[in-house]
Order: sequence, then structure tokens, then C-alpha cells
Amino acid sequence: SAVISQKPSRDICQRGTSLTIQCQVDSQVTMMFWYRQQPGQSLTLIATANQGSEATYESGFVIDKFPISRPNLTFSTLTVSNMSPEDSSIYLCSVDDGRSYEQYFGPGTRLTVT
Amino acid sequence: DAKTTQPTSMDCAEGRAANLPCNHSTISGNEYVYWYRQIHSQGPQYIIHGLKNNETNEMASLIITEDRKSSTLILPHATLRDTAVYYCIVRVANYGGSQGNLIFGKGTKLSVKP
Repeated sequence: SAVISQKPSRDICQRGTSLTIQCQVDSQVTMMFWYRQQPGQSLTLIATANQGSEATYESGFVIDKFPISRPNLTFSTLTVSNMSPEDSSIYLCSVDDGRSYEQYFGPGTRLTVT
Repeated sequence: DAKTTQPTSMDCAEGRAANLPCNHSTISGNEYVYWYRQIHSQGPQYIIHGLKNNETNEMASLIITEDRKSSTLILPHATLRDTAVYYCIVRVANYGGSQGNLIFGKGTKLSVKP
């Protein structure tokens, strides 16, 4: 199984600022994903991070607001830009190693925007 | 949108079997049934998946009806640590190849009581 770490684990940010969340995997993986979980809600897929190409965003999410980088097969970042209190959520990184049917999740980054 | 329907919440006595139902009446022939759970403040954890045959692993059993329109996740001896939100997801899965996205519905909040 893949072991995923995220940094930071939590942060409190002021509105109008940006935060970059890092996701590190202990092995090379084909697919990486970013999810958002708003308070009391289920997980929503933001985008799929592709190595060597632009991320693929789901409906309702745009690159200007959530730019994603995927420089190699073990690392990705998600930036939450020009934050507002509505961006207060848990952001989760997830990976598919391409060798099993499982998809693994990181511990999440708890973001609070004031 | 999620393609599954689950009860919002269920209770189970500790030590008893927990049976969590899921309806997926529009499932396609190449879609698998996946179950994940999310314990409070953690990332989702894979439990089990299946196509049409019943499956069992160290965590749970998955019973899929013959017409594949519904399934039941069984935790044979529930413990307090099994208290979590359980998500039933249908997803295209190709071993070693491209996978469909994991789309989370609202899930079932299982409370295991002493």
C-alpha cells in the first residue's frame, strides 16, 4: 500500500491570501487526486493531477482558484488562492498506484479561513 | 452525482454483526462496488470491493445481489472502533490500467454502541 503524507496538517489563514498544500507519497504512483471535504459534508473531487501535463478539473473547480502541480511521480501540490471563509475545508490528497484496485488517501489538511 | 443510495445512519451493538445496505440500481456491467470508511478526522480507508461475486477479507464481507442492483457490507463483529461513515461507491476499475473516479455520496454514519 502507498503511504501518503500532507503538509501542513492544519492552518488558519486570512481571507485574500493563498495556501499551498503538499502531498508526498512513499512510492511512484500513476494518478494523484485532490479532494475537498467541507464541514459536515462528503468528499468532492477537485481535480486529477497528471505528471507532465495539466491537471484535469471537475465541474465547479477552476485552475485559477486551485492551481495544481505534479512535478514527479511522488509529489503534488494544491494551492488554494485568494481564500474566503467558504474555502474552509479539509483538503485530501489521494493516489492510485496502478497496481491494485485500491485508491489511498492522505490524512488531510484542515484549513480555516478567517 | 453519486450513483448509490445508502441510509443516513445506523446503530449496531458492539460484538454484533453490522449490515450496511447500498442500492446501485443503475450500475453498469464494467463497474465495481467499492466500500470505504472514514473515521472521524481521518482520510477515507479502503475496505473491500467486488464485481458480482461475494467477497470477504480480514475486515468485512461484501454481498452483491445477483442482479447487481444492491449490495450489503457486513462487519461480522463490530467494535467501537468501527464507528465511522461508510461509503458505497460504484466505479469502473481496470487492474493496472485507468480507473474511474471515486465519487463519494453522503454515506452511512454507523454508530457502534457498547
